[in-house]
Amino acid sequence: EAQVTQNPRYLITVTGKKLTVTCSQNMNHEYMSWYRQDPGLGLRQIYYSMNVEVTDKGDVPEGYKVSRKEKRNFPLILESPSPNQTSLYFCASSSALGVDGYTFGSGTRLTVV
Amino acid sequence: AQSVTQPDIHITVSEGASLELRCNYSYGATPYLFWYVQSPGQGLQLLLKYFSGDTLVQGIKGFEAEFKRSQSSFNLRKPSVHWSDAAEYFCAVATYNTDKLIFGTGTRLQVFP
Repeated sequence: EAQVTQNPRYLITVTGKKLTVTCSQNMNHEYMSWYRQDPGLGLRQIYYSMNVEVTDKGDVPEGYKVSRKEKRNFPLILESPSPNQTSLYFCASSSALGVDGYTFGSGTRLTVV
Repeated sequence: AQSVTQPDIHITVSEGASLELRCNYSYGATPYLFWYVQSPGQGLQLLLKYFSGDTLVQGIKGFEAEFKRSQSSFNLRKPSVHWSDAAEYFCAVATYNTDKLIFGTGTRLQVFP
């Protein structure tokens, strides 16, 4: 089944403790992206990648890092999480964004205390 | 800059009633337009998309949307709403070969029996 897989689904952590949210897609897509969803703000792009070793900042990149060493994987790294990063995070991928849009993962709900 | 506006934050309808969710976009060229649905606790599912051709597009679950260039709108419609349609709906815009899908802030649909 074609899908985007994120892990974990839920995560509670403490301020400053580094964490990684994994994302993997099995559709051989070039584009991958991370979004965060907050009430009243919709989905905002954090980082995106157009292909292996090519990443760039989205609208809200502060406090996040990403890497794209393999085509299928696009992990999101929070080096020193803070409470304002408590949010619902989505990974997504696409073969041709303008035409197909993104396929989304199921989301990771992160709480930073 | 591209932007998407969903003017209705929350809509309540009775089961069996018709539905129209509004979406307005801002972009100079012909946009690629999408509607996604997010059921509670779930990821985003693509309902339908428009990128050329017939301005009335059909999607899954009985939804349709009409692209009106003169009004910069892409409203989502359904002739008869079911209780299972209760969810949050997001309109999004992209341009051909861009790396970003820009979302509106969403409309939450509540369905009463």
